[in-house]
Amino acid sequence: QQQVRQSPQSLTVWEGETAILNCSYEDSTFDYFPWYHQFPGESPALLIAIRPVSNKKEDGRFTIFFNKREKKFSLHIADSQPGDSATYFCAARGYGNEKITFGAGTKLTIKP
Amino acid sequence: DAGVTQTPRHEVAEKGQTIILKCEPVSGHNDLFWYRQTKIQGLELLSYFRSKSLMEDGGAFKDRFKAEMLNSSFSTLKIQPTEPKDSAVYLCASSLTGGARREQYFGPGTRLTVL
Repeated sequence: QQQVRQSPQSLTVWEGETAILNCSYEDSTFDYFPWYHQFPGESPALLIAIRPVSNKKEDGRFTIFFNKREKKFSLHIADSQPGDSATYFCAARGYGNEKITFGAGTKLTIKP
Repeated sequence: DAGVTQTPRHEVAEKGQTIILKCEPVSGHNDLFWYRQTKIQGLELLSYFRSKSLMEDGGAFKDRFKAEMLNSSFSTLKIQPTEPKDSAVYLCASSLTGGARREQYFGPGTRLTVL
């Protein structure tokens, strides 16, 4: 059972545009939603995360929008740069559980 | 502080061999995870330990995959016998239970090729 669905599988945007990556989940007990990014040849690393008490979390050019009612959340990358090109994984974790369920990933390419 | 270390970085095995991958978590972390990463399946959880106790042993991987945590600073993943479909990158990650950022720190991975 795929508990965290991610789309699109791949995304290409021009430098300076806003890239939007989407995720949805099924398990209502999830209470923590991180985004990890992975550059080619490297391991995943935490980028930004949100808890359901908020519907928005910003960190520089990166913003998570969270909709608890629809069980959806998205990552917006403003003023995208070629250096943002990577694979982005959304994820979710249940209350009192350190195990993370990852989405399938979105390969983002920023064209200069 | 050292991050998560994994050895070897690359492993080539013949079908049917036994291989052992090693992981040292971040000092002080008490949660340890083993993942398998492929382009088709993405990140799949193999095992999860909390304070050396096995919390989850990924169902589909039970028959040939065995993870152990011999002490709080060392874990192994044994694959026996290996099959070509096991070719993948195996990632180890650790985290601090209840940590403020609840972040999993990943090691560099072991790239396994089974011929």
